[in-house]
Amino acid sequence: AQKVTQAQTEISVVEKEDVTLDCVYETRDTTYYLFWYKQPPSGELVFLIRRNSFDEQNEISGRYSWNFQKSTSSFNFTITASQVVDSAVYFCALSEASYMDSNYQLIWGAGTKLIIKP
Amino acid sequence: EAQVTQNPRYLITVTGKKLTVTCSQNMNHEYMSWYRQDPGLGLRQIYYSMNVEVTDKGDVPEGYKVSRKEKRNFPLILESPSPNQTSLYFCASSLSTPNTEAFFGQGTRLTVV
Repeated sequence: AQKVTQAQTEISVVEKEDVTLDCVYETRDTTYYLFWYKQPPSGELVFLIRRNSFDEQNEISGRYSWNFQKSTSSFNFTITASQVVDSAVYFCALSEASYMDSNYQLIWGAGTKLIIKP
Repeated sequence: EAQVTQNPRYLITVTGKKLTVTCSQNMNHEYMSWYRQDPGLGLRQIYYSMNVEVTDKGDVPEGYKVSRKEKRNFPLILESPSPNQTSLYFCASSLSTPNTEAFFGQGTRLTVV
């Protein structure tokens, strides 16, 4: 069965520190998609990244980077030189939507609350 | 502007009084879904819809109904709300399946007393 685990409930760091948010997933499919979303204190959900299971290249976007490792079923998210504006809840999610088995759900982790102290 | 619009943003109601939370998207997306967010549990899917007149249960459908009569609208109906349905609700849409980026509404904070 699909499952996404974000073991870190809350992380608190001082501004400018690097921080990594862990995401471990379970799936039986060979084709699947992984996502990260950000939920700032204002409450909206913001898309950060989408990665398919055939692309294990790490991705960097400014201070954000993602490390996808199929061998460990992990899709970790690192913020370099964190800033107070990075404070938010971050969610990892998994989709293995397939017309063949009629599975059209997006499964979410419980989220990691990241607090960046000035 | 591409967006998903949910209404109302906040709602306080009493147990048993039927209510509807509306959701509308202007991106011609086929896939729409409803989630509830509770502390420590992340987002849990209530119902989803692959297209007009096609809906299916998510992980926590009990006590909820949905309909998809038009592509743009996907209302969430609570026929007889109970206090355990107090939660933050999000509507989302994606182009075709949940394999693509989801666009979310602003959320509806529902309190059932």
